[in-house]
Amino acid sequence: AQSVSQHNHHVILSEAASLELGCNYSYGGTVNLFWYVQYPGQHLQLLLKYFSGDPLVKGIKGFEAEFIKSKFSFNLRKPSVQWSDTAEYFCAVNLRGNEKLTFGTGTRLTIIP
Amino acid sequence: DSGVTQTPKHLITATGQRVTLRCSPRSGDLSVYWYQQSLDQGLQFLIQYYNGEERAKGNILERFSAQQFPDLHSELNLSSLELGDSALYFCASSDRVETEAFFGQGTRLTVV
Repeated sequence: AQSVSQHNHHVILSEAASLELGCNYSYGGTVNLFWYVQYPGQHLQLLLKYFSGDPLVKGIKGFEAEFIKSKFSFNLRKPSVQWSDTAEYFCAVNLRGNEKLTFGTGTRLTIIP
Repeated sequence: DSGVTQTPKHLITATGQRVTLRCSPRSGDLSVYWYQQSLDQGLQFLIQYYNGEERAKGNILERFSAQQFPDLHSELNLSSLELGDSALYFCASSDRVETEAFFGQGTRLTVV
């Protein structure tokens, strides 16, 4: 069955710390990969996406993610987090040509000033 | 602003009742998705419509139904509501070519 796993449920970091959130997927076929962010009380917003090409993808607000096909992973990174990065982060995957997105369970990120 | 509009923003209703949630997709987007977000189950895909036709079905209960109209707006109907249906319901839309989904602000449903 197709699935997306985010193993970190809640991550707490101090400002300026480096961040890496894990995302692994189980899909047979070519995939598109996404990271969405949900700030408290708001809707989901796209942080970055990978369709093809350079596996290192840069998104908004200093976030980046690396697609490692051999590991079925698409981890999200940021070198130095800010208090305003406090939010819930969702990894999502769909099969190329199929718009249905499957989301991971999300990782809540809390940044301590 | 994502361009996806959901109404109402908040809804409080009693068990056993029926409600309709409405979604207007971004201009030009043919695909509409419905998701349910609850504390215990996370973000769950319910159903997808593409240009008026049902395209994919997820964990949608039989008490729930949806449709997409010729003007591409969509409605999610929830009936015989139970306390456990309390959740945030998101609508998203996408252009088939881009394949990324844009989300609305959600409708917070509280069943009492």
